[in-house]
Amino acid sequence: DTGVSQDPRHKITKRGQNVTFRCDPISEHNRLYWYRQTLGQGPEFLTYFQNEAQLEKSRLLSDRFSAERPKGSFSTLEIQRTEQGDSAMYLCASSLEGMGNQPQHFGDGTRLSIL
Amino acid sequence: AQTVTQSQPEMSVQEAETVTLSCTYDTSESDYYLFWYKQPPSRQMILVIRQEAYKQQNATENRFSVNFQKAAKSFSLKISDSQLGDAAMYFCAYRSGNTGTASKLTFGTGTRLQVTL
Repeated sequence: DTGVSQDPRHKITKRGQNVTFRCDPISEHNRLYWYRQTLGQGPEFLTYFQNEAQLEKSRLLSDRFSAERPKGSFSTLEIQRTEQGDSAMYLCASSLEGMGNQPQHFGDGTRLSIL
Repeated sequence: AQTVTQSQPEMSVQEAETVTLSCTYDTSESDYYLFWYKQPPSRQMILVIRQEAYKQQNATENRFSVNFQKAAKSFSLKISDSQLGDAAMYFCAYRSGNTGTASKLTFGTGTRLQVTL
């Protein structure tokens, strides 16, 4: 169990640029989640996948955001035309769904800073 | 929609003492799960303890235990024999037991725990 891996750890970009983050879940986990965490707040749900299917998207996920999980393995989260308000920590988590109490395992996150 | 409230932004405890972190939640569901996660500074979030709503017995994991009051919708975390390594941000989280809906976690705003010598 190598844990959930996220890349990059930090991303600094200018407003208006596009950014893409990657998440590699724990290998046998079929569910993958994206959350956003701003300073002093708890994580907020963005979207989740079961295998390759994106099953739910939060209202927080504007049309500038898109997430994919091809082949049900790693996932990418892309933000187009970044805005100052996109500055946050983006967390990925994965779980093995089957029993409802299965915990979500989190990665270290990608910290996005918009200049 | 479910909400999770943590009314203590910061707490402090002396090493070896006991501290209780509060959490309340609002839901109309009867089947759900509750979690406490710990997030050390600049480190990943890790699960501390979990509780199934259908279980009356309070969950315990070593020095960590919960006081789950379903009728009051309260889910507090007790840390016994506090250690310096317990210093972190603690988040209470809720998850619906309805497998037909999202398995997302709804988090509170967190409680920052300081452990002093």
